Amino acid sequence: AQRVTQPEKLLSVFKGAPVELKCNYSYSGSPELFWYVQYSRQRLQLLLRHISRESIKGFTADLNKGETSFHLKKPFAQEEDSAMYYCALEDLIQGAQKLVFGQGTRLTINP
Amino acid sequence: DVKVTQSSRYLVKRTGEKVFLECVQDMDHENMFWYRQDPGLGLRLIYFSYDVKMKEKGDIPEGYSVSREKKERFSLILESASTNQTSMYLCASTVPPYNEQFFGPGTRLTVL
Repeated sequence: AQRVTQPEKLLSVFKGAPVELKCNYSYSGSPELFWYVQYSRQRLQLLLRHISRESIKGFTADLNKGETSFHLKKPFAQEEDSAMYYCALEDLIQGAQKLVFGQGTRLTINP
Repeated sequence: DVKVTQSSRYLVKRTGEKVFLECVQDMDHENMFWYRQDPGLGLRLIYFSYDVKMKEKGDIPEGYSVSREKKERFSLILESASTNQTSMYLCASTVPPYNEQFFGPGTRLTVL
């Protein structure tokens, strides 16, 4: 079955330090993977998707098929990066996109 | 901008009550979803719909039903609310092939 695992419920780093939020998945086939973010008092929104290979707000994520991972990285954390982060995997059922989410990681950036 | 709205931000109900959560999107999206969000469990899919009057069970449909009579509106129904249904409920919509799901602000439901 499709599954997404985020091993860290909480992650705390200092401002300016590198950040890595871990995501591992199990999927039969070529996965479409996403990172979603929820800032305090805001709605959940897409941060980035692996097919775009883009950097958003300084974050990047590389798909490693050998390790079945899609870790989110940022070289220098900012206080505004404090938020809840969810890794998600796309599954297609009857032509409808369904997302399978991980448990989430709450990232706190300390000043 | 895509707008997904949910009828209530906060809701308090009693055990056994029938509860309706409404979700409306204004972008003519075909696919709509209901999730519940719980600490440590992430988002879990309850039901989704890929067309009017069509519905599919998600991963945790027990105790819930849905209704989609119009394209823009997707309702989640708790037939007889129980305390273990206390949670944050999120609605989302999307249209292929863009993959991005657009979320509503959420409804925090407390069942006493």
